[in-house]
Amino acid sequence: QVHLVQSGAEVKKPGSSVKVSCKASGGTFSIYTLNWVRQAPGQGLEWMGRIIPFLNITNYAQKFQGRVTITADTSTGTAYMEVSSLKSEDTAVYFCGKRESWGQGTLVTVSS
Amino acid sequence: AIQMTQSPSSLSASMGDRVTITCRASQGIRNELGWYQQKPGKAPKLLIYPASNLQSGVPSRFSGSGFGTDFTLTISSLQPEDFATYYCLQDYNHPYSFGQGTKLEIK
Repeated sequence: QVHLVQSGAEVKKPGSSVKVSCKASGGTFSIYTLNWVRQAPGQGLEWMGRIIPFLNITNYAQKFQGRVTITADTSTGTAYMEVSSLKSEDTAVYFCGKRESWGQGTLVTVSS
Repeated sequence: AIQMTQSPSSLSASMGDRVTITCRASQGIRNELGWYQQKPGKAPKLLIYPASNLQSGVPSRFSGSGFGTDFTLTISSLQPEDFATYYCLQDYNHPYSFGQGTKLEIK
């Protein structure tokens, strides 16, 4: 079973960007869909987008289209999710995952 | 985009109770729906996928049913560790979408 480990917490200024990583071990990284999901404080889960690394296919929720970029490096088994033009409303815990396995989450705080 | 309507948003129940949570899709999604449990500060945990298939290691008191647009998650006899928030997620078509969540609390 794949094990996913995410990068650490970030504090960012409004208008800046953040890039969160998600490193996989075990399994075959490139062949499965990897999702990115976020959870604002006290709120529900929100699906942001996904990547299928071996096809380099990405899909995004309309809300994030143009501001979120998901990439993957199959040589290292690592996926990345970058959010640009950060706003305070982007303060959330960001999770990477496939159905059965999820990373531990990365808290991104956007504050001036 | 497919909308997932989950109900109730919160539920108060006692140990040993049987509870049911529902999700309705705005269009047919076959059986491509998962049920997740989330505890505070933790990642979601997959309980059931697709629709009625219990994941390995998940207690048999959890069950799922449904096809098309209407789905249910049932917990047959609540245990202390079941008090958490539950979400459905459709991955039939992108963009994938979660239900709003059901917070299950102890009465």
